[in-house]
Amino acid sequence: SYELTQPPSVSVSPGQTARITCSGDALAKQYTYWYQQKPGQAPVVVIIKDNERPSGIPERFSGSSSGTTVTLTISGVQAEDEADYYCQSADTSGTYVVFGGGTKLTVL
Amino acid sequence: EVQLVESGGGLVQPGGSLRLSCAASGFTFSSYWMTWVRQAPGKGLEWVANIQQDGSEKYFVDSVKGRFTISRDNAKNSLYLQMSRLRAEDTALYFCARGGSGWKFYGTDVWGQGTTVTVSS
Repeated sequence: SYELTQPPSVSVSPGQTARITCSGDALAKQYTYWYQQKPGQAPVVVIIKDNERPSGIPERFSGSSSGTTVTLTISGVQAEDEADYYCQSADTSGTYVVFGGGTKLTVL
Repeated sequence: EVQLVESGGGLVQPGGSLRLSCAASGFTFSSYWMTWVRQAPGKGLEWVANIQQDGSEKYFVDSVKGRFTISRDNAKNSLYLQMSRLRAEDTALYFCARGGSGWKFYGTDVWGQGTTVTVSS
């Protein structure tokens, strides 16, 4: 089955830049979405279609894509950004949806 | 306000059945893909199933194929997940989420708060 690979954890100090990667063979052909999930809450989408920021999402969140790896970048990380982040895409056929395993972002 | 509210979760014995519902409001329900996503305790997100706007296309993760059915009633602005032959590994918080309005599903933009399903004897 198709899988997306994320690092389990990323740690940064406030004000620094956090980069969370997501790798998968089909990412060059399929859009990627990124979700933020805080404890006890439902996920919130922070990036759609690789690099678009939904309304209400701070400008410090951005997405980029290069071949089979996509990256969520959080510039000027704030304490409130501490959360689990998940990438989501689809297999090469575009039929089956898949989530990455999630990355826990810790703000030191 | 766009809103999704799940219901129908509970405790069920292995091999049993359960029907989850998701009530949508604040948008034209019939124009959007809808999806179910689950999260086992302490684990990550897992896509379960998708359904196209008119219900003609449905897709499932392999682990629930033949056991779960997804359906929708556009007149009632409601999404459903019929779960049968439940297993312990189906224990999770089940989220309803809105997909896009195009011909293809890409991702979601609105989520409900979830309903908990516990499969245990």
